Amino acid sequence: NAGVTQTPKFRILKIGQSMTLQCAQDMNHNYMYWYRQDPGMGLKLIYYSVGAGITDKGEVPNGYNVSRSTTEDFPLRLELAAPSQTSVYFCASSYSRGGARTEAFFGQGTRLTVV
Amino acid sequence: QKEVEQNSGPLSVPEGAIASLNCTYSDQGSQSFFWYRQYSGKSPELIMFIYSNGDKEDGRFTAQLNKASQYVSLLIRDSQPSDSATYLCASYNTNAGKSTFGDGTTLTVKP
Repeated sequence: NAGVTQTPKFRILKIGQSMTLQCAQDMNHNYMYWYRQDPGMGLKLIYYSVGAGITDKGEVPNGYNVSRSTTEDFPLRLELAAPSQTSVYFCASSYSRGGARTEAFFGQGTRLTVV
Repeated sequence: QKEVEQNSGPLSVPEGAIASLNCTYSDQGSQSFFWYRQYSGKSPELIMFIYSNGDKEDGRFTAQLNKASQYVSLLIRDSQPSDSATYLCASYNTNAGKSTFGDGTTLTVKP
């Protein structure tokens, strides 16, 4: 049972380059999220999705784009990478919007450095 | 003001002591609350959730919720060195369908 799988685990980008962080879950969860975590800080929500074809902005969406064409996949696109996007990125999913089943399951993270 | 505030760390306790972690939230629409543990360089993992006022116990962990005071806490009894980690408090707003995380409290349990 893979859970939430993120690729790649590490990446170095040059300023102005673009890339896509991949996220896939095999738990049939409707809800998926992208967070970034800067050193010593908590998780900041970038984008989230409540189902295939539906996405919405979180706290810090600028510089990112997402799509959700299937229940399983939720890729995060970085356009024109900037040093401020150096961070650890976590993808997460959850089953439901109510009560205990809103527990989020996290991927292993992608450590991104922009130089 | 942050939506979820945690007491600033780091927090250090001796092995076998009780560790107390606190969290306040400002979104009155939040219905569920979660404590995640995050080891250095790893992803967060859920250790407790609570959505009713009062206490909820699971092994050495007790979560407490007071919605009137908008306060959530986590007590870790008989702390072990393996409990050394950063603890993230999160509130969940059902209508919005998303969680908000605090910045975390780093706990060190000294043998």
